[in-house]
Amino acid sequence: DAKTTQPNSMESNEEEPVHLPCNHSTISGTDYIHWYRQLPSQGPEYVIHGLTSNVNNRMASLAIAEDRKSSTLILHRATLRDAAVYYCILRYFGNEKLTFGTGTRLTIIP
Amino acid sequence: ETGVTQSPTHLIKTRGQQVTLRCSSQSGHNTVSWYQQALGQGPQFIFQYYREEENGRGNFPPRFSGLQFPNYSSELNVNALELDDSALYLCASSWHRGPNEQYFGPGTRLTVT
Repeated sequence: DAKTTQPNSMESNEEEPVHLPCNHSTISGTDYIHWYRQLPSQGPEYVIHGLTSNVNNRMASLAIAEDRKSSTLILHRATLRDAAVYYCILRYFGNEKLTFGTGTRLTIIP
Repeated sequence: ETGVTQSPTHLIKTRGQQVTLRCSSQSGHNTVSWYQQALGQGPQFIFQYYREEENGRGNFPPRFSGLQFPNYSSELNVNALELDDSALYLCASSWHRGPNEQYFGPGTRLTVT
């Protein structure tokens, strides 16, 4: 499995945008970039995924670098409920599993 | 639409015993994956079931086994429990096509003493 690198922790102020980076320099052409988050005492929750183009959904935006070696998850207006561990995962088409790293622990400051 | 449910919520077992954990898939999903999450770590893939057969396995010994039923619900069985098996066990359901997202249940917290 291709490896991802994320900062261990980040802090952000409530109601401000948050940019969570992920490096994946060994990504292959068939790897999708997935983001999940895990709130305290809950199972992981799907956030967003993409292949080459930037993606938007109701939860977040995913900005993918042109060379695909890095990506950024953007929360447009952080709330206290967004405090969680965020995982960036590479998954090739048809792969049955998600390979989680240690993720980024996001703290939201009121 | 019903989400993924797991039972029991918590469980305490003694080393050497056997345990069965249960998972009900989200409506419309035909694939179930199981993960183990030790304290402070990310979830680790155990195996996946599709059409009642194992469809991929992580680095777990054979004493970890599973079943999927015709209604797509699933069981995880662990024999000869060890202290290191203490963890949160997560079940995730998905549709078996493409890089689809997996929907996780709340997990079963297993403590082995």
